[in-house]
Amino acid sequence: ETTLAQSPRFVSATPGDTVIISCKASQHIDDDLNWYQQRPGEAPIFIIQEAKALVRGIPPRFSGSGYGTDFTLTINDIQSEDAAYYFCLQHDDFPYTFGQGTKLEIK
Amino acid sequence: EGQLVESGGGLVKPGGSLTLSCAASGFSFRTYDMNWVRQAPGKGLEWLSYIRSSSGAKHYADSVKGRFTISRDNVKSLFFLEMYGLRDDDTAVYYCAREMAGTSGFDLWGRGTPVLVSS
Repeated sequence: ETTLAQSPRFVSATPGDTVIISCKASQHIDDDLNWYQQRPGEAPIFIIQEAKALVRGIPPRFSGSGYGTDFTLTINDIQSEDAAYYFCLQHDDFPYTFGQGTKLEIK
Repeated sequence: EGQLVESGGGLVKPGGSLTLSCAASGFSFRTYDMNWVRQAPGKGLEWLSYIRSSSGAKHYADSVKGRFTISRDNVKSLFFLEMYGLRDDDTAVYYCAREMAGTSGFDLWGRGTPVLVSS
């Protein structure tokens, strides 16, 4: 089973800041990693596919990078609506696994 | 684009059973593989089960194998999670999620249905 170590668990940012969230896999997973955003009480939203492909309709201030075991989600020019919980998912093999999640607070 | 709506959650006693449903709309349900995922209070997300579009292949997490059963009805665009022998640690919000082609992860999620296992 591939475990994903996501960090930080909590980050506080000011509008206009850049935030970087990391997801490290316990074994090589190629680029089989997606990123999601979830606001309280809402369904998760798919934001990055295959480590670095921005999902259609997602603002370009979101970007992803990485391959193999180390991945990052970068949010540039943070906006108030970006306050949410962010998590990574590896789909390289079953069982699919998730990072522990990062709560992004906007000051 | 599509929508998924879960139902069937609620309060159940330890050892009890519950069946969750997920209603799909706005897309060709029969062509998509589907999954169940849960999130326990204060915990991260946990993948539970996968079912192929044709109901052929199924996968389960070790934590639910032998207790939970996934199934689907492609005519009615519904899919299900039958849960037996529920335990306190099954308390969670349960989500259904659509799988992209080629087991590429989830591109559509429901809002979830809560399950509370308590005496």
